[in-house]
Amino acid sequence: DSGVTQTPKHLITATGQRVTLRCSPRSGDLSVYWYQQSLDQGLQFLIQYYNGEERAKGNILERFSAQQFPDLHSELNLSSLELGDSALYFCASSLTGTGYNEQFFGPGTRLTVL
Amino acid sequence: DQQVKQNSPSLRVQEGRISILNCDYTNSMFDYFLWYKKYPAEGPTFLISISSIKDKNEDGRFTVFLNKSAKHLSLHIVPSQPGDSAVYFCAASAEDSNYQLIWGAGTKLIIKP
Repeated sequence: DSGVTQTPKHLITATGQRVTLRCSPRSGDLSVYWYQQSLDQGLQFLIQYYNGEERAKGNILERFSAQQFPDLHSELNLSSLELGDSALYFCASSLTGTGYNEQFFGPGTRLTVL
Repeated sequence: DQQVKQNSPSLRVQEGRISILNCDYTNSMFDYFLWYKKYPAEGPTFLISISSIKDKNEDGRFTVFLNKSAKHLSLHIVPSQPGDSAVYFCAASAEDSNYQLIWGAGTKLIIKP
């Protein structure tokens, strides 16, 4: 158990809908990362937050947004969903947002868009 | 443009033998490399890392080798055990890109009894 929790585990929805994925980092970790893993692909970095502020942006679509709240949990919002958004979405946390910090991953949320 | 490549989607190794997983990268600015292990229905778990100032790092049965001139790293697992069956991801980062991790596509390692 990494200490990172993600809800829900599975999500099935229809095209055009909007969903919210939730992540709670390990106790004490200030940085949260979101990743997308499509079928048989590597992890694609989406976005990073550090202590409530956006720190780095990766290949995140404009339809997607995220935030980190004062209690350090984070939410990833996916809107106008398309079939191609079906993927595993992982959240990871690390102690700080700088330097070489080991990232601890949650179990992921499997999103299926029908 | 894949900056980190794991060219073998899968690898089958006999239990007790050495498993060698390979990773190539293109960005010469990468200066920190990590290996993660992933079981089905779980998130990736950190395994071992290496800084570019080293060419080898060992942790128990796991050793990572870095060849900077060839832009190549490898993970050796000796001896391989059934519990090592998993997907292994190589990732790299650089100070000038905010230590963002760039991931390979993964190699599925299957340990045969």
